[in-house]
Order: sequence, then structure tokens, then C-alpha cells
Amino acid sequence: SYDLTQPPSVSVSPGQAARITCSGDDLGRKNVCWYQQKPGQSPILVMYQDNHRPSGIPERFSGANSGDTATLTISGTQSMDEADYYCQAWDSSAFVVFGGGTRLTVL
Amino acid sequence: QVTLRESGPALVKPTQTLTLTCTFSGFSLSTSSMCVSWIRQPPGKALEWLAIIDWDDDKYYSSSLKTRLTISKDTSKNQVVLTMTNMAPVDTATYFCARSSRCTAGRAFDDWGQGTLLTVSS
Repeated sequence: SYDLTQPPSVSVSPGQAARITCSGDDLGRKNVCWYQQKPGQSPILVMYQDNHRPSGIPERFSGANSGDTATLTISGTQSMDEADYYCQAWDSSAFVVFGGGTRLTVL
Repeated sequence: QVTLRESGPALVKPTQTLTLTCTFSGFSLSTSSMCVSWIRQPPGKALEWLAIIDWDDDKYYSSSLKTRLTISKDTSKNQVVLTMTNMAPVDTATYFCARSSRCTAGRAFDDWGQGTLLTVSS
């Protein structure tokens, strides 16, 4: 099996940078993507292939992936960014793997 | 514009077999690098991947559920069907189907359906 570990929660003040991590064995060798999910809604892809933003995703979202850790950074966090965030990767034996999710709170 | 819509029963009894259908538009599942997956989310919990089918009919299943799952596609109808046997109350969840156009590079899911809530109860 292959596991992705995320912190359950991250808090940030408006206007500050939020960093959400996702850890897995040798994760830097895999393509990582990130989803944002607000209550009662379907997930939205906010980052793919580590650091590529889909069309329509604000530039304040960025991604990095190296070693065992991938990071989603939201610069200048806004109240609308408050949501659950999930990382996801493809593993050759476990196939599609999701992290446990991180609740981002904008205080 | 890509759309996906899940359909199936809202309630099943324990031990029954579930059949869910994902009907999509805006893309063809016969196009190279396309794939459609099923993902579920129990109330208040995290996303859990179930199964995926590729444009070339390759299929992959969650190791913890693979004995209970079957995924198939009907390209002419633009549908992907998931069957899950021996349903139990722990299978109560919202079931999503999702599409990736990057099934040779990480399989990020660009588009998701709205999800269908399934309750397993006698």
C-alpha cells in the first residue's frame, strides 16, 4: 500500500500565506495534485502535476514537490479559500491515493 | 463543456449489490489519455478512491475493495458503470464519478460530478 499524510488542520490569518503539506515515501518522484472542497460541494482541482494551475485557479495558489513532501501554498489567503484540501498521487501498486485531507481555517 | 452525472439508488439494504452509473458529456472515453474514476466520501470523512477505467479499457481497483468492485464502460452511451457487491452500512457515502484527461501523467481529476448520496440500511 501507499499512504499520503496531511495535517488535519491549518489555520492562517487573512492576507498571510497558508502552506499545506502532503507526505509520502519518495513522493517527489510522483505527480501530485490538489483539490479544494467546500461544504456540500464536489472537489475542485486546484493544482496538477505538482505545480500546474488549471485554468481559472487564482495565481495565489502554487505547488511544489520534492523528497517526501509536496506542498500547496496559498499566498495572500482570502476567506473564500477556507475549505478542505486533499492531495492525490498515482502509485504503481496502490494506484490512485488520496491524503486524509486538511481543513484550512482563515481566522 | 464537460459534465458528469451520477445516478443510482439512494438506499440499499445490507448484502445487496449496488449499481451506479456515471453519464458524461463533453468528451469521449475512447480518446487517448482519458479515464473515469469512482470516488466516495462517507459523511464528514475524507475522499476514498474506488476504481478507474482508462480509454484503452485498463481497469484498476482499490486493493481494500477490489473483490467487491467491477467497473465497465459503454463508450457509445458515454457511460461508466460501477457495481459493488455485499453492501454494508459502512458503505454509506456520497459517490462521485470524475474524469481525468491526464491518465498517463498522474491522473488528476479535472472534472467531477455532483455526487450521489447512498445510504445502506435495513
